[in-house]
Amino acid sequence: AQTVTQSQPEMSVQEAETVTLSCTYDTSESDYYLFWYKQPPSRQMILVIRQEAYKQQNATENRFSVNFQKAAKSFSLKISDSQLGDAAMYFCALGDSNYQLIWGAGTKLIIKP
Amino acid sequence: DTGVSQDPRHKITKRGQNVTFRCDPISEHNRLYWYRQTLGQGPEFLTYFQNEAQLEKSRLLSDRFSAERPKGSFSTLEIQRTEQGDSAMYLCASSLVPETVGGYTFGSGTRLTVV
Repeated sequence: AQTVTQSQPEMSVQEAETVTLSCTYDTSESDYYLFWYKQPPSRQMILVIRQEAYKQQNATENRFSVNFQKAAKSFSLKISDSQLGDAAMYFCALGDSNYQLIWGAGTKLIIKP
Repeated sequence: DTGVSQDPRHKITKRGQNVTFRCDPISEHNRLYWYRQTLGQGPEFLTYFQNEAQLEKSRLLSDRFSAERPKGSFSTLEIQRTEQGDSAMYLCASSLVPETVGGYTFGSGTRLTVV
């Protein structure tokens, strides 16, 4: 069975500093995708960043980057220069060969002003 | 196209009543998904469609839940004889496979409260 584990229920960071959210996964598939989604309070889920498993280069999107360790099955999200608007639930998800997503339980990110 | 739309945004119903939610996906997307989410939890898969065909239903989905996607466009999710345990946010998402390779676009959700 494919699983996604987010071991940090909650993280906090000072505004303008850097924070890393952890995610580990398990899959027997060789071709898959990994995602980080953000869900602000009472707002819709939005895609933050996507990583193709066949690519060795880590994906980046402005202040958001990932550390993809395929052998370790680890996919962490780094947020640089944290802003108040980054406060949200962050979900890690694994996309399987049927284009379905398997979700982690989420990490609540708190930004301290 | 302004994204995935869900209607209504909020629904309060009495236990035992039937409710129906609607989702309008991004028009060119061929996949449509329904999820349920409770506070502080990740999305829980309910069912998905590829075009008009319902390809998978969660085993957690009781017989009281039914979904349709006529003509492969909008979708409806009906819950019959609602129970208090059905109170949750119901999320709809769409994607274009294989192009977006699982990158979903979500709607804002319908929050159901059963009293």
